[in-house]
Amino acid sequence: EIVLTQSPGTLSLSPGERATLSCRTSQSIRSTYLAWYQQKPGQAPRLLLYGASSRATGIPDRFSGSGSGTDFTLTISRLEPEDFAVYYCQQYGSSPRTFGQGTKVEIK
Amino acid sequence: EVQLVQSGAEVKKPGESLRISCKASGYSFTAYWITWVRQLPGKGLEWMGRIDPGDSHLNYSPSFQGHVTISADQSTSTAYLQWSSLKASDSAMYFCARSSLGTTMVSPWDYWGQGTLVTVSS
Repeated sequence: EIVLTQSPGTLSLSPGERATLSCRTSQSIRSTYLAWYQQKPGQAPRLLLYGASSRATGIPDRFSGSGSGTDFTLTISRLEPEDFAVYYCQQYGSSPRTFGQGTKVEIK
Repeated sequence: EVQLVQSGAEVKKPGESLRISCKASGYSFTAYWITWVRQLPGKGLEWMGRIDPGDSHLNYSPSFQGHVTISADQSTSTAYLQWSSLKASDSAMYFCARSSLGTTMVSPWDYWGQGTLVTVSS
């Protein structure tokens, strides 16, 4: 099983600031199979990025992703009020599919 | 419009059985995987397993194999997650989700149900 470790656990930032979230995998994966999801309280997760860097339909361009091998990054260039949420990375190339434990982006 | 609508919240006792549902609409039900994800209270996301509604091919996470059963009914475009004997530790939110690409492709999940809260308590 591929283990995903996200850091930091919590990120305290102000609107307008840049957020950088990290996801490290226990073994190298193809970037094709790395996704990021956003989840707000009481809601289902929402797909943000797939293939490490491709935005899903309707996702604004302030969300970007990068990385390869075992290290991946989600960047939110300028935080909007609606971006404060929990973010999960996920690998979907091997079974079982696995998620990171999540990074909470909270208002400072 | 693609929609996945899940059945309502359930309160059950340990040892009871349960089946929750996920009704799909707005797309060809047999063309995309349906997956189930568990979220324990205040915790992260866990993949449970998936089904190809076209041929009922199944993949389970080892963590859930043998404890839950995933199925699908093409006639009603509905996927199911069921337990034969619930435990208190099954208390969680359960989400269904659809693969973003067809069943022959590897893809993440782009449409999600609203979640079904299952509470197991004596």
